[in-house]
Amino acid sequence: IAGITQAPTSQILAAGRRMTLRCTQDMRHNAMYWYRQDLGLGLRLIHYSNTAGTTGKGEVPDGYSVSRANTDDFPLTLASAVPSQTSVYFCASSEGHTDTQYFGPGTRLTVL
Amino acid sequence: AQSVSQHNHHVILSEAASLELGCNYSYGGTVNLFWYVQYPGQHLQLLLKYFSGDPLVKGIKGFEAEFIKSKFSFNLRKPSVQWSDTAEYFCAVNLPGGFKTIFGAGTRLFVKA
Repeated sequence: IAGITQAPTSQILAAGRRMTLRCTQDMRHNAMYWYRQDLGLGLRLIHYSNTAGTTGKGEVPDGYSVSRANTDDFPLTLASAVPSQTSVYFCASSEGHTDTQYFGPGTRLTVL
Repeated sequence: AQSVSQHNHHVILSEAASLELGCNYSYGGTVNLFWYVQYPGQHLQLLLKYFSGDPLVKGIKGFEAEFIKSKFSFNLRKPSVQWSDTAEYFCAVNLPGGFKTIFGAGTRLFVKA
């Protein structure tokens, strides 16, 4: 069982470009999340989905969008990347929204 | 807004020293509490959690945490740390009925061999 996979592992992106970070889980969890991790700020929730077909905004949603077409996939899109979006992005999933979250390996994104 | 505060951003200890990492949250109702750990080069994983019952919870690798409701605290402890405990530790709070888990800023622990 792979758990959660994320792609790409890392990416350098020019400002203004569009980018989609991929996240796939094989645990059939209902809830999925996207966080960004920045030094000194911990993990901040970008968007979440409590079940396929629904999404919600987290603490820092501006500049990001998500979709949840099925249970397994939860892509995060940066429509027009800006340097402040340079960060490490983690996808996570949980059975229910109050349960333990399982994290992917992360995507290190640099926007120049 | 709800928040989670971790008192120490960096902690340096020698092996066999005792560890206590502070965590306080700002929410007056029932909460679910977690400690996650991120070892160097690895992704976050659960260390321990508290939902209800005995306020002293035990996790993996000899870690434990005590929930003190009156102090809004969930401090992490380990009697004797090892070099392999070098990692970043995150306290997190989930509010029942909500879909958001709030993480603290993290504490980086370095254990000297």
